[in-house]
Amino acid sequence: DTGVSQDPRHKITKRGQNVTFRCDPISEHNRLYWYRQTLGQGPEFLTYFQNEAQLEKSRLLSDRFSAERPKGSFSTLEIQRTEQGDSAMYLCASSRGGGDEKLFFGSGTQLSVL
Amino acid sequence: DQQVKQNSPSLSVQEGRISILNCDYTNSMFDYFLWYKKYPAEGPTFLISISSIKDKNEDGRFTVFLNKSAKHLSLHIVPSQPGDSAVYFCAAPSGTYKYIFGTGTRLKVLA
Repeated sequence: DTGVSQDPRHKITKRGQNVTFRCDPISEHNRLYWYRQTLGQGPEFLTYFQNEAQLEKSRLLSDRFSAERPKGSFSTLEIQRTEQGDSAMYLCASSRGGGDEKLFFGSGTQLSVL
Repeated sequence: DQQVKQNSPSLSVQEGRISILNCDYTNSMFDYFLWYKKYPAEGPTFLISISSIKDKNEDGRFTVFLNKSAKHLSLHIVPSQPGDSAVYFCAAPSGTYKYIFGTGTRLKVLA
């Protein structure tokens, strides 16, 4: 069990640029989640996948955000035309499912939009 | 929709004493609750869970209590240690397999 891996750990970008983050879940986990966390808040749900199928997206997620999980393995989260309000920690989590619903989080990607 | 509230943003406790962190939720349709601990610049780490078929779950120094009628969870840490200083989040299910997190309680254990 190597844990959930996220890359990069930090990203600084200029407003209007596109960014992409990667998440590698724990290998036998078939559910993968993206959350976002800002200072003083708890993790906020963005979207989740069961294998390669994206089953739910938050209403708060604008159409500038897109996530994929090809082949049900790693996932990418892309933010197009970044805005300063996108600055946050982006967290990926995975779970085994099948009655074991504990989420295991990666270390996150800290995004700063200048 | 599920809402999760942790009404105490911070808590300070002397080393060796009990820490009690509280959490309230609104939707009792779903039945599996999670507690996480978070250090700065790291992702949340799973701490302990409880299913609604129980009213208590214990793991070492950590015990979670569930009061279903009050829609209330509490996490007890005893004895508290300086290494327990972190932000603690509770999470409640909302819909199928999605978790909603509270805003967290920052615990400081004083040596």
